[in-house]
Amino acid sequence: DAGITQSPRHKVTETGTPVTLRCHQTENHRYMYWYRQDPGHGLRLIHYSYGVKDTDKGEVSDGYSVSRSKTEDFLLTLESATSSQTSVYFCAISERAETQYFGPGTRLLVL
Amino acid sequence: GIQVEQSPPDLILQEGANSTLRCNFSDSVNNLQWFHQNPWGQLINLFYIPSGTKQNGRLSATTVATERYSLLYISSSQTTDSGVYFCAVETNGNQFYFGTGTSLTVIP
Repeated sequence: DAGITQSPRHKVTETGTPVTLRCHQTENHRYMYWYRQDPGHGLRLIHYSYGVKDTDKGEVSDGYSVSRSKTEDFLLTLESATSSQTSVYFCAISERAETQYFGPGTRLLVL
Repeated sequence: GIQVEQSPPDLILQEGANSTLRCNFSDSVNNLQWFHQNPWGQLINLFYIPSGTKQNGRLSATTVATERYSLLYISSSQTTDSGVYFCAVETNGNQFYFGTGTSLTVIP
């Protein structure tokens, strides 16, 4: 299994508070991705990174920001959490934008 | 963005039966992958298959890129095959688009 961890694994927060999710890899893969999974929508791409400090927006990027200061870490920040951001968040990695490997996911509940 | 449609949305099989899952996409793709999400939520990559045919044990996949579809075959299904199967495609710029999945339940 690819070495991908996500933290925290579960989080409950209140509307309006900032939240940061962390994805950490030990595979030295170039590409990292953040997805959210909601019933009826499958997985949707939020942001992705193609190298240190190189990031781009995905399909559902509004309300989210990312940072990648090291190859192994990709952070997803909700500046001011809203109830519509309640979801399961997955991180993924790949070496050449081909085969993707997913982390275990983070369940976020915004009250 | 590209449209990705999977069928059927739900499938119930008796253990030992075979099945075919389909993924249609609306534009040319550089990358196509099949994933299995088990009942505990873990996503496992099954195939990277932008074109052609691949086999891995009881699973095989075929992508006909010119006709914009891919098929995932599961033979001699087992209860451990239960879960949701997703296809995901990438057109350009490293952005992946997922279908809404096929939920498979295998009954003993």
